[in-house]
Amino acid sequence: AQSVTQPDIHITVSEGASLELRCNYSYGATPYLFWYVQSPGQGLQLLLKYFSGDTLVQGIKGFEAEFKRSQSSFNLRKPSVHWSDAAEYFCAVGAVNRGSTLGRLYFGRGTQLTVWP
Amino acid sequence: DVKVTQSSRYLVKRTGEKVFLECVQDMDHENMFWYRQDPGLGLRLIYFSYDVKMKEKGDIPEGYSVSREKKERFSLILESASTNQTSMYLCASRDVNTEAFFGQGTRLTVV
Repeated sequence: AQSVTQPDIHITVSEGASLELRCNYSYGATPYLFWYVQSPGQGLQLLLKYFSGDTLVQGIKGFEAEFKRSQSSFNLRKPSVHWSDAAEYFCAVGAVNRGSTLGRLYFGRGTQLTVWP
Repeated sequence: DVKVTQSSRYLVKRTGEKVFLECVQDMDHENMFWYRQDPGLGLRLIYFSYDVKMKEKGDIPEGYSVSREKKERFSLILESASTNQTSMYLCASRDVNTEAFFGQGTRLTVV
């Protein structure tokens, strides 16, 4: 069955510290992978995506993620966190191939990031 | 700029009312989705649609129905609203080779 696991419900880091948010997935086909961010009361904004090619992808706001097929992981990283990065982060996986029901994305439960000044 | 627009940001309805949540996308996407978001539970898929008049149940369809009469519009219907349907509702759209684009969400309170 398809699923996404974000093992950390809540992470707290100091401003300027490095960050890694974990994401593991289970998917029966070649996956598309995504990270989204959600500020309070807002919709989800795409941070970055992996479709194919280079397994290290760069996103907005200085974020990057690395796709590791052997570990079924797609961890999100940032070398130096800013206070404005405090938000909830969601990992998602979806299908590569076109099909009637393959448009669905599967989301993890999210990781809440708190940033200390 | 691509856009998914939800008709209301905030709604307050009474128990037993029929509630319509509307979503419109301007990207000609095939797939549209309705999610429910509750603290600690992440995004849970209620229904999705992969074409006009086509729909699939998601993980929590009970108490909900949907309508997609035009490609750009996807409606979520609460036939008889209950207090346990108080939540944030998010609409999204995508094609298979794109990311999902989300609306701003509708916070529904059922009293």
